[in-house]
Amino acid sequence: AQKITQTQPGMFVQEKEAVTLDCTYDTSDQSYGLFWYKQPSSGEMIFLIYQGSYDEQNATEGRYSLNFQKARKSANLVISASQLGDSAMYFCAMREPHSGYALNFGKGTSLLVTP
Amino acid sequence: EADIYQTPRYLVIGTGKKITLECSQTMGHDKMYWYQQDPGMELHLIHYSYGVNSTEKGDLSSESTVSRIRTEHFPLTLESARPSHTSQYLCASSFGGQRGGGAQYFGPGTRLTVL
Repeated sequence: AQKITQTQPGMFVQEKEAVTLDCTYDTSDQSYGLFWYKQPSSGEMIFLIYQGSYDEQNATEGRYSLNFQKARKSANLVISASQLGDSAMYFCAMREPHSGYALNFGKGTSLLVTP
Repeated sequence: EADIYQTPRYLVIGTGKKITLECSQTMGHDKMYWYQQDPGMELHLIHYSYGVNSTEKGDLSSESTVSRIRTEHFPLTLESARPSHTSQYLCASSFGGQRGGGAQYFGPGTRLTVL
């Protein structure tokens, strides 16, 4: 069975600084996908970035990058140049191939960006 | 841009009432999902669908039912609402693992309160 672990319940970062949100995972599948989502206080889930297990390069999307270390089973999200609007819950997730490719989510990290 | 809609956004209802939460998407995605999320917690899969006339239960036991008569529509029904059903319900859709890593796009959610 898959497991996603996010060990940081809450994080603070100053505006314009970079921040790393941790995610480790456990799976017996050879092929898998990892995702990060942002959930503002309004409640919607916003897709940020995807990393496939066979992708050789770390994924990047604008200010978001994914630090993928396959041997360590970690997929940390790096947000560069934090903005006040980045304050939100962030969830790491893994694709579950045995449930219609549903997502298995971690418990999330609450990020607060301060001026 | 993702086009997935949920209605109502907020619902307060008494115990024992029958309710249907609507979810529609215009992206032609074959796979659709319902997740349940308590405040500040992770998402749990309650139902998913591979396509028309396909419905499956997820990991979290739920007293709700779903139907998939049309590709774009995936409503969730509670025959008799109880206070334990109070939660946020999020609908999502994707092409599954075949395209784009299977990123799921979420609707805005329905916040349900059962008195």
